[in-house]
Amino acid sequence: DVKVTQSSRYLVKRTGEKVFLECVQDMDHENMFWYRQDPGLGLRLIYFSYDVKMKEKGDIPEGYSVSREKKERFSLILESASTNQTSMYLCASSILQVGTGELFFGEGSRLTVL
Amino acid sequence: DAKTTQPTSMDCAEGRAANLPCNHSTISGNEYVYWYRQIHSQGPQYIIHGLKNNETNEMASLIITEDRKSSTLILPHATLRDTAVYYCIVRVVGNQGGKLIFGQGTELSVKP
Repeated sequence: DVKVTQSSRYLVKRTGEKVFLECVQDMDHENMFWYRQDPGLGLRLIYFSYDVKMKEKGDIPEGYSVSREKKERFSLILESASTNQTSMYLCASSILQVGTGELFFGEGSRLTVL
Repeated sequence: DAKTTQPTSMDCAEGRAANLPCNHSTISGNEYVYWYRQIHSQGPQYIIHGLKNNETNEMASLIITEDRKSSTLILPHATLRDTAVYYCIVRVVGNQGGKLIFGQGTELSVKP
């Protein structure tokens, strides 16, 4: 089975702290994604990557950056956390193939910024 | 990617079929219809997808109208464990795998 593992299920950080959210997938998928999920807003795409060292902005990239140094690992970075970044963060991966593209999600990381 | 419209919530009796509708009237010819569900406190789970033809797998059936402007996800014998938020998404799948844009989804409650 495909496994997408997020480093922390729950984090509490203070305003202004630098935050790293790590995601690792074990199926050699080319594509990886970071979403945030908020009540009433559904899932919103922050960034995605379709290859090592490649990244594309999603719909809400402001305040975030990403890093993909290895194929299996995609990191989301909050350079200076703010309270409006309190959210559930979901990582996903998929293969790079026309006609398929099923996303596999991790369990999520719930971040609280105080 | 085309926008989708789903009812906010639905109820279904345990053991009965759950039929979840989705409108995607602006869908274009190269966009697939995907369904995911999210059980509370877990990441979304892929259910099924299709382009033009109806599809069936071990979890569900997907019925796409001939004009492709709407679709219905069918859970043939709903159980309490099917209580979740169900998302209908249309998506172009291309060389870069395509990105999924999630809407609000339908909250399905399966009741005993």
